[in-house]
Amino acid sequence: AQSVTQLDSQVPVFEEAPVELRCNYSSSVSVYLFWYVQYPNQGLQLLLKYLSGSTLVKGINGFEAEFNKSQTSFHLRKPSVHISDTAEYFCAVSAYNQGGKLIFGQGTELSVKP
Amino acid sequence: DVKVTQSSRYLVKRTGEKVFLECVQDMDHENMFWYRQDPGLGLRLIYFSYDVKMKEKGDIPEGYSVSREKKERFSLILESASTNQTSMYLCASSSRTGGITGELFFGEGSRLTVL
Repeated sequence: AQSVTQLDSQVPVFEEAPVELRCNYSSSVSVYLFWYVQYPNQGLQLLLKYLSGSTLVKGINGFEAEFNKSQTSFHLRKPSVHISDTAEYFCAVSAYNQGGKLIFGQGTELSVKP
Repeated sequence: DVKVTQSSRYLVKRTGEKVFLECVQDMDHENMFWYRQDPGLGLRLIYFSYDVKMKEKGDIPEGYSVSREKKERFSLILESASTNQTSMYLCASSSRTGGITGELFFGEGSRLTVL
């Protein structure tokens, strides 16, 4: 079975500062990795994904994430955040043999302050 | 763009009532999912379906059932609502390829309060 742990439930940060949202996973098989974002009162939308190939993946809105297989991590980063990045961020994993079932982490609330 | 539409954004029901949550997607996706979202717990999979009339239990199916009579529609049913089912319910869909890689498209959610 797979599991996902997001190490921070809340991350407050000032506008234009860099941010890192941490995600660790466990799995006995190879996985696909995702970050989803949920803006207030909305559903989730895909921010970026790692399927294979380069371990550094770029997503929408200037976010990027790095897959580290040895540390089983997939941390999300942005060099300079905006007020509009305030949202909840979810890390998720899907195992190769699980037919697209996503296992989600607990979520990290990113709060960007002026 | 893929659109996943959940018919009710907010519902208030009483304990013991039967509740239907409807979800429709317009991109001919094969796979559909129902998740429950609670603070501090993230999203947990209730049921999913890979085809019409097919359904499979997720991680927390107790107290819920589903129906998929048409490809575009996936309904979540609470046979007898209880207060511990107060939550946000999210429907999602994916193509067959997305079903392999786990790339989902979500609706905006239905916030259910059971009194």
